[in-house]
Amino acid sequence: AQSVTQLDSHVSVSEGTPVLLRCNYSSSYSPSLFWYVQHPNKGLQLLLKYTSAATLVKGINGFEAEFKKSETSFHLTKPSAHMSDAAEYFCVVSDQGGKLIFGQGTELSVKP
Amino acid sequence: DTEVTQTPKHLVMGMTNKKSLKCEQHMGHRAMYWYKQKAKKPPELMFVYSYEKLSINESVPSRFSPECPNSSLLNLHLHALQPEDSALYLCASSQQIPGLQHYGYTFGSGTRLTVV
Repeated sequence: AQSVTQLDSHVSVSEGTPVLLRCNYSSSYSPSLFWYVQHPNKGLQLLLKYTSAATLVKGINGFEAEFKKSETSFHLTKPSAHMSDAAEYFCVVSDQGGKLIFGQGTELSVKP
Repeated sequence: DTEVTQTPKHLVMGMTNKKSLKCEQHMGHRAMYWYKQKAKKPPELMFVYSYEKLSINESVPSRFSPECPNSSLLNLHLHALQPEDSALYLCASSQQIPGLQHYGYTFGSGTRLTVV
């Protein structure tokens, strides 16, 4: 069975500093992995996706994630945080039937 | 058009009311989904429609009744809800190509439902 663990429920950074949101997954086959962002009272927006092509995946708004099979990780990074990045971030794995398995979410706060 | 449109954005209803949530997409996606999301929690899958047929019902109470009139529309009919049903209801769609990698879902902005 597939599962996702987001290692931090809350991350706080200062504006202009790097962002690291950690995600480990468990899958019995080559997974499809995603990061979604949700701003307050909004729907979910796809940031980026890994579907067994390049292991370093670039997404929107300067975010990227690296798929590391040996570590079963798919951490999300951004070199320099903006105030507008403050939101909830979900790491997601897709099972073989296409059903999404969500992590519990990481709330990112950005201080001025 | 690369969006999933949900209406209404906000809904307040009494426990004896009947209301409906609507979801529309014109991306040619053949799978559509309803999710329920409580505050500070990930979305929980409620229903999946594949090629306009209900394929997954995650043991949702019968006071929630989904309907897929055509490949672009998805409705969620609500009747006799409880206050604990108050949540953000999200609709999503995806391409469904058997045997290929999954390319992710496109989510709508949701309907914020309050049951009083």
